[in-house]
Amino acid sequence: FMLTQPHSVSESPGKTVTISCTRSSGSIASNYVQWYQQRPGSSPTTVIYDDHIRPSAVPDRISGSIDRSSNSASLTISGLKIEDEADYYCQSYDGTTVVFGGGTKLTVL
Amino acid sequence: EVQLVESGGGLVQPGGSLRLSCAASGIIFSSYWMSWVRQAPGKGLEWVANIKQDGSEKYYVDSVKGRFTISRDNAKNSLYLQMNSLSAEDTAVYYCARVGRVSGDFDYWGQGTLVTVSS
Repeated sequence: FMLTQPHSVSESPGKTVTISCTRSSGSIASNYVQWYQQRPGSSPTTVIYDDHIRPSAVPDRISGSIDRSSNSASLTISGLKIEDEADYYCQSYDGTTVVFGGGTKLTVL
Repeated sequence: EVQLVESGGGLVQPGGSLRLSCAASGIIFSSYWMSWVRQAPGKGLEWVANIKQDGSEKYYVDSVKGRFTISRDNAKNSLYLQMNSLSAEDTAVYYCARVGRVSGDFDYWGQGTLVTVSS
């Protein structure tokens, strides 16, 4: 299966943005979805795992969800800050192979 | 503090070979699946390979099957990636990552090592 993300999104500071991740085949609910943030020159870090769980260091402005009707996962960031500007990747794992989405560049302007 | 430190990257000619290493510290290395993930310049993340805790199961992305081999030495807390028959399409930063949860979450990453395949 493949995971498809928008290439880029942009929004103003203080606003809310949602990044989608659509699964091409099989149910989005079949395997957990993770989301990673990658700033330029840095390694990725997890912002959401198991569809909606935030690691302790991630602010509650960031949330994740899945939608069975659209077969997609979503990452929502509210109260946007300049520091949120980064690339975001969704990822899922079927027990043997790992699939990443193509990544979404978030611009906060 | 958890640390994953990759090494072994560099410039190699097409058709050549390279062996990457990843030294782990601050974790019970033998308790976790481990992975290699790569990122071509200006491109997205691509999973390369996984290996089970005891090395008994290994999985690869189709594009590297038959050319790359993932392995580990739990006594040395080290992960390896042997890369053969390299082509320009293999040029990327290669990250070592720990699979922290059953869901496949990569909870720790190394800083990456750059592999450049060019004549």
